[in-house]
Amino acid sequence: GENVEQHPSTLSVQEGDSAVIKCTYSDSASNYFPWYKQELGKRPQLIIDIRSNVGEKKDQRIAVTLNKTAKHFSLHITETQPEDSAVYFCAAQGAGGSYIPTFGRGTSLIVHP
Amino acid sequence: KAGVTQTPRYLIKTRGQQVTLSCSPISGHRSVSWYQQTPGQGLQFLFEYFSETQRNKGNFPGRFSGRQFSNSRSEMNVSTLELGDSALYLCASSLGQTANTGELFFGEGSRLTVL
Repeated sequence: GENVEQHPSTLSVQEGDSAVIKCTYSDSASNYFPWYKQELGKRPQLIIDIRSNVGEKKDQRIAVTLNKTAKHFSLHITETQPEDSAVYFCAAQGAGGSYIPTFGRGTSLIVHP
Repeated sequence: KAGVTQTPRYLIKTRGQQVTLSCSPISGHRSVSWYQQTPGQGLQFLFEYFSETQRNKGNFPGRFSGRQFSNSRSEMNVSTLELGDSALYLCASSLGQTANTGELFFGEGSRLTVL
């Protein structure tokens, strides 16, 4: 089955800095890559996603890039703010006709004011 | 539109007991999936139901089971509880009709503590 590796497990930055979280997946048939954000004590929520026919997608301060050849994708957050502090999960979906994503283990992002 | 509702939110059980958790999906969503969340382990997939059928299953022992009703509400059951079953159990609903897409909408979770 699909396997998703996510790094780093913890990321600490100063407010205003950029943050990058990287994920790799194992099954080249995966074709949908969502990112979820889970604030402390709250439910995970989708913040951005990308499909395999697209190399990059942006939404205000967040962007995701996908390299299908290398089978890795990354989340980029610019001008970080304290409210960006949360756990971020990457996921890969679609391999073998799977209807649910395989998640990475999560990255705890801490933004210091 | 009401979100995903999970009950109970918190519960405490002792080893050897069994527990049933409930999940009501967003209206119109036919897929419900369950996840176990523990610190450092991320979101471990338990199983997914679509139109009352288990469509996918994760690598958990047979003590973990689930079902889905005709109104798409789902329950999961854990029998013979162990200390290691203490976790936040999240359910998520989605339309579930295409394999390569589909935002998951999570509930707030059921926090299980096993003593």
